[in-house]
Formats: sequence, C-alpha cells, structure tokens
Amino acid sequence: GAGVSQTPSNKVTEKGKYVELRCDPISGHTALYWYRQSLGQGPEFLIYFQGTGAADDSGLPNDRFFAVRPEGSVSTLKIQRTERGDSAVYLCASSWGAGGASGTDTQYFGPGTRLTVL
Amino acid sequence: DQQVKQNSPSLSVQEGRISILNCDYTNSMFDYFLWYKKYPAEGPTFLISISSIKDKNEDGRFTVFLNKSAKHLSLHIVPSQPGDSAVYFCAAHLYNDYKLSFGAGTTVTVRA
Repeated sequence: GAGVSQTPSNKVTEKGKYVELRCDPISGHTALYWYRQSLGQGPEFLIYFQGTGAADDSGLPNDRFFAVRPEGSVSTLKIQRTERGDSAVYLCASSWGAGGASGTDTQYFGPGTRLTVL
Repeated sequence: DQQVKQNSPSLSVQEGRISILNCDYTNSMFDYFLWYKKYPAEGPTFLISISSIKDKNEDGRFTVFLNKSAKHLSLHIVPSQPGDSAVYFCAAHLYNDYKLSFGAGTTVTVRA
C-alpha cells in the first residue's frame, strides 16, 4: 500500500516568509510525528499527534512553529517568519499508535521536505 | 543535549565481510532501541529493534546487541552486501513514550 507522503519535496523561501509543509500518513495510522533533520545530524523530534490532538509538542523550538491535524489524518507543519536556521529536512512519520505487547510502535517515515530559507 | 551518540560518522567494509556499527546512550531510562537505515532522498526505514530486557535480537543478516551496563548497543551485518550501503541511525525511546531520540548516523559503504 501507499507509504507516508510529504509535499512539497523541496521548498525554497525567503527569510521572514511563512511556509506550510504537508504530511499524508499511512491510512489507518493514528499516531503522527514530525522530526527535523539538520545537515550532519540525526532527526530531532518536534511534535507528536495521537488522533487530532497534539499529545507532545515539547520538541517545537519556539512559537513560530505550529502543527495541526484537524481530521486525524493529514497534518500540516506551519512555520512563521522563517529564519535561515530553519533550513533542514522536515520528516513526517506515522504509526499505529498502539504500542501494545511489542513494547514499541514502529514509525514509518516519509521522504521529507527539504526547506531552504534564503 | 544528545542522548544517543554514534561516534563513527563513516564505515567502509568489503562485500561479504561483517559490518559493526556502534551506538552509545546516556539515558538509562530508555526502554527500546531501534536501528533505521536511510538511502539518499528517502526517509529512514525501520531495520531492527531490541527491548531493554534483552541483550540480543537477530533478524536474518542483522543482529543487534545491547549492553545496558555500558549503555552501548551495536548492529552487526553479516555478510555485508552492496545494497547495505546507506546511512544507519541508532534511535531509542522511553517506556510508553514513542518519540525517538536519534544518533547522528553512520554512513556505511560496502566495497565490491
């Protein structure tokens, strides 16, 4: 079946502009995660949704970053007044959200959106 | 504060030989450890995981070893194949809290 998809694949914007990044999770997955990967580093957690609600937004760097998932499926990460330091690959992942007997909840990642702020 | 560390940024190995990737962590409360593999222009793909109550998990050519007292885990790939050339990320999460803490990754190159 279809995996996690993210649009756009690349986004170039100017400092101070507003951007929206979209994530379409795997159908039926209730959990959705956003991560940010800067050059030479591993992905860093930003925010986690369980259904429509943000269960954990402790990774958002500041109040310029905001994410929504109004119908419990597609999610949008919104960045206001972009700065050059926001340049990174933004990864979305989804999972069943159950954990359960396995003890973990395998996350399936999309290909990411490469954001470049000039 | 990086809680998961991969100190070797790259590894080159001959096809057919063993690849050993290392990972250290600082948070003793981590409950689950995972390895992800990433090809260029693609998202990370889950490879193998291990619970903190185990010391070894094997899946085909891939084996993960966990040493809790040393806060260290390793991934062994035997035998290494050209298709294994990728970036490998070590990750971990707390009990019932599935957000992942990742290491910086190790780029593996398998030489023919």
